[in-house]
Amino acid sequence: DTGVSQNPRHKITKRGQNVTFRCDPISEHNRLYWYRQTLGQGPEFLTYFQNEAQLEKSRLLSDRFSAERPKGSFSTLEIQRTEQGDSAMYLCASPVEGSGANVLTFGAGSRLTVL
Amino acid sequence: DAKTTQPPSMDCAEGRAANLPCNHSTISGNEYVYWYRQIHSQGPQYIIHGLKNNETNEMASLIITEDRKSSTLILPHATLRDTAVYYCIVTSLNSGYALNFGKGTSLLVTP
Repeated sequence: DTGVSQNPRHKITKRGQNVTFRCDPISEHNRLYWYRQTLGQGPEFLTYFQNEAQLEKSRLLSDRFSAERPKGSFSTLEIQRTEQGDSAMYLCASPVEGSGANVLTFGAGSRLTVL
Repeated sequence: DAKTTQPPSMDCAEGRAANLPCNHSTISGNEYVYWYRQIHSQGPQYIIHGLKNNETNEMASLIITEDRKSSTLILPHATLRDTAVYYCIVTSLNSGYALNFGKGTSLLVTP
């Protein structure tokens, strides 16, 4: 149990459908991060939140992707009109308290397969 | 952030020390070296980080060369559970978000 909870762990969907992933970080840390990992690659940064404000977005985050963090607690990542190229592991992370911004605890991820 | 170069794969016998190298010749003065690992089907796990002095914790040791252009992560007594992809990341202390993981080194610990 890493302390960062992600749901669902696995999602299989047909191309064109919308999917939503949820992340519950450790004890409502003010920072929360989303990364994407495709097969054989390391995780790639997507976006991050400081409380409920989305402060940075990667160019990987196309207009079909939207992330929210209402009330600065849990976060959701929605992908609209999914494409096969969206198949990946979506990882959420939050900082380890008192260890600096680069020491992150990651969830186990949500694996998306788009058929 | 400085670019890092790691071998794509390494093997290590169980019980032996695993020494994982990382080159970061363009590292700048305010950049730290971080190591994470990712066991199959899990999220990445933080291991250790350092600036210029060698560091040790309960998981590993980090040796950074004097010119800081390369470093080595040492797992002193590798176990089968250490089989994972190990990522070396160079970044400033509070970059906070866009950690560049690269492809890492896939370490296989064999019985």
